[in-house]
Amino acid sequence: DAGITQSPRHKVTETGTPVTLRCHQTENHRYMYWYRQDPGHGLRLIHYSYGVKDTDKGEVSDGYSVSRSKTEDFLLTLESATSSQTSVYFCAIKGGGKSYNEQFFGPGTRLTVL
Amino acid sequence: TQLLEQSPQFLSIQEGENLTVYCNSSSVFSSLQWYRQEPGEGPVLLVTVVTGGEVKKLKRLTFQFGDARKDSSLHITAAQPGDTGLYLCAGGYNAGNMLTFGGGTRLMVKP
Repeated sequence: DAGITQSPRHKVTETGTPVTLRCHQTENHRYMYWYRQDPGHGLRLIHYSYGVKDTDKGEVSDGYSVSRSKTEDFLLTLESATSSQTSVYFCAIKGGGKSYNEQFFGPGTRLTVL
Repeated sequence: TQLLEQSPQFLSIQEGENLTVYCNSSSVFSSLQWYRQEPGEGPVLLVTVVTGGEVKKLKRLTFQFGDARKDSSLHITAAQPGDTGLYLCAGGYNAGNMLTFGGGTRLMVKP
């Protein structure tokens, strides 16, 4: 158990509304990631963070922003949700030490945009 | 952009059969992970391989990293219904801080 929680676990919202998803970790890991998972696409990286206030874009960052004001929390915001952002969102952390890129995942947030 | 192709995408077999899942790329990776995911949950790490030609075994699961570190395979012997799930491979790059994922193989093992 990597001590990762995500909230909310499920959310239904309407097109055009802002949405914020939260990822919380308890083990002081430096690297945190946000992915989305869609059928046929596996996991695709949205944004990642390599420290407090240090973030960078991933493969599918358009329409998303992130913030990391403290080590334990990494927030993903959809400024104006669209139906194409209906997906399952996973947060992950990179293991410490000689972890060889290993990432550990939270339980996911299922987001539906109507 | 590193790309990983997994095959097959879907696999439905009877309990007791053997199977192999493949993960291929034209890129070289510093490491290769295999994850298993069940419905409604996040992916769970099964194994990491880092050396070309490396073979690791986890009970009935055998993982191999290609000699050139561009491909990998997962072999399951005598599959059981509990092996049912989505299997994902992921290649490490960018000084070890990033992963690129394959599209996944959805396995169903029927009793």
